[in-house]
Amino acid sequence: DAKTTQPNSMESNEEEPVHLPCNHSTISGTDYIHWYRQLPSQGPEYVIHGLTSNVNNRMASLAIAEDRKSSTLILHRATLRDAAVYYCILRDYFGNEKLTFGTGTRLTIIP
Amino acid sequence: GAVVSQHPSWVICKSGTSVKIECRSLDFQATTMFWYRQFPKQSLMLMATSNEGSKATYEQGVEKDKFLINHASLTLSTLTVTSAHPEDSSFYICSASRLWQDNEQFFGPGTRLTVL
Repeated sequence: DAKTTQPNSMESNEEEPVHLPCNHSTISGTDYIHWYRQLPSQGPEYVIHGLTSNVNNRMASLAIAEDRKSSTLILHRATLRDAAVYYCILRDYFGNEKLTFGTGTRLTIIP
Repeated sequence: GAVVSQHPSWVICKSGTSVKIECRSLDFQATTMFWYRQFPKQSLMLMATSNEGSKATYEQGVEKDKFLINHASLTLSTLTVTSAHPEDSSFYICSASRLWQDNEQFFGPGTRLTVL
């Protein structure tokens, strides 16, 4: 599976936008970019996914670079409840459904 | 919708005993269920993939005789840690994918196992 690289940790002020980067320079044409997050002592939850175009949902936006070698998860207005570890994961559309979790980015929200 | 539950949420057992963890999809049929293990301050590691009615597929390095997985129905998978030892103490998490909607996996809340 193609690998992703994320910063170990980030901080953001409450009620401000947060941009979480992810590098995936070896992404293949059939890899979808998935984001999950894990709140403390809980199982992960799905955030968003995309292939080529930018995506929006009620939780976040996903901006995908034109060459697809990087992407950015955008939380438009961070709240304290967004403090979590965010994982950027590549999943081959034609492969199995396995998710390979990297180390993720630990996001701290400052009140 | 798309809720996955796990039972128990935490368990403490003595070394040498076996522990069963249940994973249920409450409001959907799960084509595939996955079992992960997470040690403190570390990421999730996939242990095995299970499909209803067939044998689980284990990841490299995971002992299939120690971590028994049974996927008896489209809504229930169980993980049994046999002859548990303190090094098996971990956070065990299951996830499930929904028929015709496999872009998203739905995760359970996790089960914290402590082996004394």
